Amino acid sequence: GAGVSQTPSNKVTEKGKYVELRCDPISGHTALYWYRQSLGQGPEFLIYFQGTGAADDSGLPNDRFFAVRPEGSVSTLKIQRTERGDSAVYLCASSPEAAGYNEQFFGPGTRLTVL
Amino acid sequence: GENVEQHPSTLSVQEGDSAVIKCTYSDSASNYFPWYKQELGKRPQLIIDIRSNVGEKKDQRIAVTLNKTAKHFSLHITETQPEDSAVYFCAAKYGGSQGNLIFGKGTKLSVKP
Repeated sequence: GAGVSQTPSNKVTEKGKYVELRCDPISGHTALYWYRQSLGQGPEFLIYFQGTGAADDSGLPNDRFFAVRPEGSVSTLKIQRTERGDSAVYLCASSPEAAGYNEQFFGPGTRLTVL
Repeated sequence: GENVEQHPSTLSVQEGDSAVIKCTYSDSASNYFPWYKQELGKRPQLIIDIRSNVGEKKDQRIAVTLNKTAKHFSLHITETQPEDSAVYFCAAKYGGSQGNLIFGKGTKLSVKP
């Protein structure tokens, strides 16, 4: 079956602009996670959803970052007033549910470059 | 905050040798420890995981050990092959059964033929 997909694969924007990154999880997966990966680093947790609600958003770096999952499937990560330091690969992952020992399946990521 | 330390950051071995990567974690409530392999430009993929009620798990050439008392876990790859070359990340599930993953910084493994 289809894995986790993310669009766009690459996004180049100018400092101060607004961007939206989309994640399509594996069908039926109720948990969805967003991570940010900088060059040479491990994925850094941003936020996760169980269903439609954000179960933990403690990883969002500041109020310029926001994520939604209105119907419990597709999620959008929104970044306002982008800064050069926001440049990174944004990874999405999904799992059958957040509880327990479920594998997180990662998408291919969106490479965001802020000029 | 919660932290996962991973060592070494780079590891170079000869084909056929073994490779060991070690991680320590800080959250005593962590109960799930996956290992991911990430090839250049690709997504992380799970290669093996271990739960807190198990001390060791093996899958062909890959094994993971967990010491809950010391809060450390290790990945062992035997009979390494050039296709094992990649970046490996350990992770710990923070906050018990409902938590998110905290990742280590990664180990770049190079297997020389």
